[in-house]
Amino acid sequence: RKEVEQDPGPFNVPEGATVAFNCTYSNSASQSFFWYRQDCRKEPKLLMSVYSSGNEDGRFTAQLNRASQYISLLIRDSKLSDSATYLCVVERDDQTGANNLFFGTGTRLTVIP
Amino acid sequence: NAGVTQTPKFQVLKTGQSMTLQCAQDMNHNSMYWYRQDPGMGLRLIYYSASEGTTDKGEVPNGYNVSRLNKREFSLRLESAAPSQTSVYFCASRRLAGGVNEQFFGPGTRLTVL
Repeated sequence: RKEVEQDPGPFNVPEGATVAFNCTYSNSASQSFFWYRQDCRKEPKLLMSVYSSGNEDGRFTAQLNRASQYISLLIRDSKLSDSATYLCVVERDDQTGANNLFFGTGTRLTVIP
Repeated sequence: NAGVTQTPKFQVLKTGQSMTLQCAQDMNHNSMYWYRQDPGMGLRLIYYSASEGTTDKGEVPNGYNVSRLNKREFSLRLESAAPSQTSVYFCASRRLAGGVNEQFFGPGTRLTVL
């Protein structure tokens, strides 16, 4: 079983739509959680951290449910510039005791005019 | 600030050839990482360096070696390239601020092994 699982999509939505991405993680020892954004043929960049209480950054809202080991990202009022792949990422201590990141395969979003 | 830089951007190798991928960061970060990204798979950690002078294996270290030359530079070496090492390689460095483990990535090296 993969450590972090995401629906690969693609999600094709019209401008202005609301879209939600989900992610599950397998290791209950995971400590921190993030969403990264990756544009086509570019490097990943941090979009936002995810906190248990839920957090919002403009049109983006992230939620974490530790009991269900489930993370979500909601994008409201989608823009063409939101088209990208969204990577779900968890942080935990690995076998050497170091605090490392584990990435999902990503969910691809295309916003259509 | 250039952030994280990687060279080369593209490379084609024949099976058995060797090469070194270079990475440098100018953000004074202690930790640096090498990942590979393959279709249908998330980024997977090859090696990392928590601080200058230390390196550790990640999830997929076989066939690779690394050198943390100084605080700025972290190189990845393929001693005898194999087609299975065809991938996009990303170097990253880490800022730990306010408890957030943000990693900054370089632009990537697209490697093809024939």
